[in-house]
Amino acid sequence: KQEVTQIPAALSVPEGENLVLNCSFTDSAIYNLQWFRQDPGKGLTSLLLIQSSQREQTSGRLNASLDKSSGRSTLYIAASQPGDSATYLCAGSDGSSNTGKLIFGQGTTLQVKP
Amino acid sequence: EAQVTQNPRYLITVTGKKLTVTCSQNMNHEYMSWYRQDPGLGLRQIYYSMNVEVTDKGDVPEGYKVSRKEKRNFPLILESPSPNQTSLYFCASSAGTLLYTQYFGPGTRLTVL
Repeated sequence: KQEVTQIPAALSVPEGENLVLNCSFTDSAIYNLQWFRQDPGKGLTSLLLIQSSQREQTSGRLNASLDKSSGRSTLYIAASQPGDSATYLCAGSDGSSNTGKLIFGQGTTLQVKP
Repeated sequence: EAQVTQNPRYLITVTGKKLTVTCSQNMNHEYMSWYRQDPGLGLRQIYYSMNVEVTDKGDVPEGYKVSRKEKRNFPLILESPSPNQTSLYFCASSAGTLLYTQYFGPGTRLTVL
């Protein structure tokens, strides 16, 4: 059964710092891994999707990597800004079935201080 | 604009009073699903639908019903809501199940008294 863990639960950094958010998963039979951003009182915004055949994806200041053998994914945020403050969730597909179900981590709440 | 919409966004109701939360997507997606988000438990899937007239249970389906009569709509029905269904609900859609980005709606915050 797929389990997804995100550490740390919260992170505070000064503006301009480069940072890495971590996500680990237990089942390497993962079809894809998706990173989301959740702002208070709002829905989930998809940031990046990495398919199992890929090792990384980039969008602007964001870069996500996937290492199936070690069961890890990272989200790298370059030159962080106060507007990046949000909760970041990673979600892995349930590799044991074709249901499309995403298994979510608990999230990392990021605060970028001006 | 490509989007998933949910209504209502906020709802306070009483135990036993039937309610429906609507979900609609304008991306012609085949796959749709419902999640609930609770503190400490994260997001859990309630129901999903591979296509019109095809629905199946997720991890926490008890107390919920769904229907998929049209491709764009996937309503969540609570026939007899109870306080333990107080939660934040999200609808999601994607072009398929495994290789596609899933897009989430803005959420519906439900309180059952």
